[in-house]
Amino acid sequence: DGGITQSPKYLFRKEGQNVTLSCEQNLNHDAMYWYRQDPGQGLRLIYYSQIVNDFQKGDIAEGYSVSREKKESFPLTVTSAQKNPTAFYLCASSRAGGPRYNEQFFGPGTRLTVL
Amino acid sequence: AQKVTQAQTEISVVEKEDVTLDCVYETRDTTYYLFWYKQPPSGELVFLIRRNSFDEQNEISGRYSWNFQKSTSSFNFTITASQVVDSAVYFCALSDLDSNYQLIWGAGTKLIIKP
Repeated sequence: DGGITQSPKYLFRKEGQNVTLSCEQNLNHDAMYWYRQDPGQGLRLIYYSQIVNDFQKGDIAEGYSVSREKKESFPLTVTSAQKNPTAFYLCASSRAGGPRYNEQFFGPGTRLTVL
Repeated sequence: AQKVTQAQTEISVVEKEDVTLDCVYETRDTTYYLFWYKQPPSGELVFLIRRNSFDEQNEISGRYSWNFQKSTSSFNFTITASQVVDSAVYFCALSDLDSNYQLIWGAGTKLIIKP
């Protein structure tokens, strides 16, 4: 079945450690996205990528980094510079990044807790 | 600036009642796209609908219907004969040229359906 997978589902990290969240899609979508969701809040865009080897900062990119070496994969690294990383992280993809086909489809999310 | 307002933070109804979730948007563009997503307790966002600004026809899909009114900049979502499985957080989103066709998200409305 086509879809988006995120791993792990739950992640615990000690303060000062970097951690990488995985996102893979087999939908053959060009665009991929990372969002952060805090309890009771909406979604905030961290990074997005419209094509391989290219990505742009979203609204809250500080303390995060990404790479897009393969069309299928868009990993997110939460660095020690992120002051408050405990949150629910959602990865999404869309067929294209422009006005057409830009409905986004989401993975199941990763819940990150910093201890 | 673009903005999406979901003024209802939480709605609680008894099963089988009809319920309408409000979404009001702001945009300077004449071409834009509106979306609704459902986030059940599991956390994964589920795409429900995408409408473009040139299509003002109301949409019906089973118990779900959407009322798009450009005159009031609203894109409301109605669930008819609600069921417990409809309990979720529902998000409205806007995409336009100003946002580089990224999604601008509302804060979400938490819908509770009581048996």
